[in-house]
Amino acid sequence: DAKTTQPPSMDCAEGRAANLPCNHSTISGNEYVYWYRQIHSQGPQYIIHGLKNNETNEMASLIITEDRKSSTLILPHATLRDTAVYYCIPGYNFNKFYFGSGTKLNVKP
Amino acid sequence: DTAVSQTPKYLVTQMGNDKSIKCEQNLGHDTMYWYKQDSKKFLKIMFSYNNKELIINETVPNRFSPKSPDKAHLNLHINSLELGDSAVYFCASSHRRPPLRSYGYTFGSGTRLTVV
Repeated sequence: DAKTTQPPSMDCAEGRAANLPCNHSTISGNEYVYWYRQIHSQGPQYIIHGLKNNETNEMASLIITEDRKSSTLILPHATLRDTAVYYCIPGYNFNKFYFGSGTKLNVKP
Repeated sequence: DTAVSQTPKYLVTQMGNDKSIKCEQNLGHDTMYWYKQDSKKFLKIMFSYNNKELIINETVPNRFSPKSPDKAHLNLHINSLELGDSAVYFCASSHRRPPLRSYGYTFGSGTRLTVV
């Protein structure tokens, strides 16, 4: 399974874009990159996933570098409710999603 | 509502007791999981069942015994509870062989177990 590196914490002003980076340099060719978040001890929540192309949904955008060794999750207009721990998880084998330590995003007024 | 539901939400019990946590999903998924989140907030997979068959057992003590009566239910029974078992336990479900646009796991809201 690919290992990931994420900054332990980041701050973002409310209304601004939050850009959360993830390094997954050992990702294999058929592994997707999944992003989840966990808001204050609730169950983790799916945000977005992608393989090669950039992806966008109603929650966020995902930018994956051409070599697929890193990605960035973008929350275009962060709100206080986006304060959470964000996890980047490479995987294709749904039987073993390994959660790392993630990035604690603090959205401030 | 379509969801993964766990009961109970909170569980406080004494050391040495036996307790169960129940999980049900109505998403039509064929695979279910138990994760443990300890005080340091690390989420670790414990078990996975696919169509009632155990497919993952991640070095969990024998005191923990999952049971899957059908693919929509996965219960966790814990014998002889210890202080170190205090944690939040999350149930999740997914398709094992997902459609192209699958969303991975859907998690329940967790069961906070406190052993005193």
